[in-house]
Amino acid sequence: GAGVSQSPSNKVTEKGKDVELRCDPISGHTALYWYRQSLGQGLEFLIYFQGNSAPDKSGLPSDRFSAERTGGSVSTLTIQRTQQEDSAVYLCASIAPGTYRLADPTGELFFGEGSRLTVL
Amino acid sequence: LAKTTQPISMDSYEGQEVNITCSHNNIATNDYITWYQQFPSQGPRFIIQGYKTKVTNEVASLFIPADRKSSTLSLPRVSLSDTAVYYCLVGGRAGKSTFGDGTTLTVKP
Repeated sequence: GAGVSQSPSNKVTEKGKDVELRCDPISGHTALYWYRQSLGQGLEFLIYFQGNSAPDKSGLPSDRFSAERTGGSVSTLTIQRTQQEDSAVYLCASIAPGTYRLADPTGELFFGEGSRLTVL
Repeated sequence: LAKTTQPISMDSYEGQEVNITCSHNNIATNDYITWYQQFPSQGPRFIIQGYKTKVTNEVASLFIPADRKSSTLSLPRVSLSDTAVYYCLVGGRAGKSTFGDGTTLTVKP
């Protein structure tokens, strides 16, 4: 597609339920990121996928959170046994290959519209 | 991780130039500085990126002093539509980077 697509756009769930959030990155983008943004707060890094390398999971807040990326494209973020403090907007971003300059640069992140999760 | 510090909020009027400064005292040699803009209910959008000195594009300029411990995003002649949250991001791969808490810019008529 033309941009990063996330679904669902809104999810309301009950405490203790599992949820899955999906991200379709821009075609050809090899790196994919998940961030969490609580109401009125900045972006909190969760996890990073780069090609076939092992993902960087250093930002996942607990073992209830997990993510996978199938076929190097679509990614799913799973939250098990949701808690009220999990309520936030979950943002996915991807980055194009070949945009890197010098060593370890950032390049331009393309964000989706986010999935708003509300845990009752 | 390089921590960033930005003002929480700023007010301006249409037509004025706005400068938002970000402090990043622990910036590493290979770190880039990137600014993003975020409107309500949308994901952040890339504005500009730089490593040192000055970078300019069609929407903004980025000033980075020689010590790179801070950076200033300059928005010329802002309009009401520039009201948004602006984030300073410092680092390499975004996964190892730190988004600041953002600066809420309010442009008044």
